[in-house]
Amino acid sequence: AQTVTQSQPEMSVQEAETVTLSCTYDTSESDYYLFWYKQPPSRQMILVIRQEAYKQQNATENRFSVNFQKAAKSFSLKISDSQLGDAAMYFCAYSRSNYGGSQGNLIFGKGTKLSVKP
Amino acid sequence: NAGVTQTPKFQVLKTGQSMTLQCAQDMNHEYMSWYRQDPGMGLRLIHYSVGAGITDQGEVPNGYNVSRSTTEDFPLRLLSAAPSQTSVYFCASSYLGQREKLFFGSGTQLSVL
Repeated sequence: AQTVTQSQPEMSVQEAETVTLSCTYDTSESDYYLFWYKQPPSRQMILVIRQEAYKQQNATENRFSVNFQKAAKSFSLKISDSQLGDAAMYFCAYSRSNYGGSQGNLIFGKGTKLSVKP
Repeated sequence: NAGVTQTPKFQVLKTGQSMTLQCAQDMNHEYMSWYRQDPGMGLRLIHYSVGAGITDQGEVPNGYNVSRSTTEDFPLRLLSAAPSQTSVYFCASSYLGQREKLFFGSGTQLSVL
């Protein structure tokens, strides 16, 4: 069974600095997706960034980027120029593929609570 | 465009009571799912559906029933609520061929006393 591990329950960063959140996963599949979701106190689940496993290029969305190491099964999120609004829970998630049945259901890590200090 | 709508947003039940959490989407998504979120546990899949009339179990299905009579609606039923079902519940939907583009509802906070 696939698993997702986030080893940092809490992280803290100074405003305008850079922080990296760690995520590792376990799978025997070659085709899958990886995600980072942000959950602010409003509890809304917000997709931050998405990576397709067959793409070697790391995904980037504005101040958010990932370091995807497929062989090491590692998927870290880097937040540059941290802002107060980045304070939230961050969840790493995995899904096998788009096709049929249970494939595509998300498997989540336990989350990392990020605090941003002014 | 309302997206994924969950009702109610908050609910308090007594042990043994029954209730239905509602989830509706207006995007004609084939895939719908229910997750629960507990402190320190992340989100875990309860049930999912890939189309009207088709449902299947996720990781933590015990104590919950679902049905999918229409494409738009995917209600989650608690037949006899237990304190262990105190949690935040999220509904999510997507096109079947675009599972990587999942839309989440805003969640239902359920407390069972």
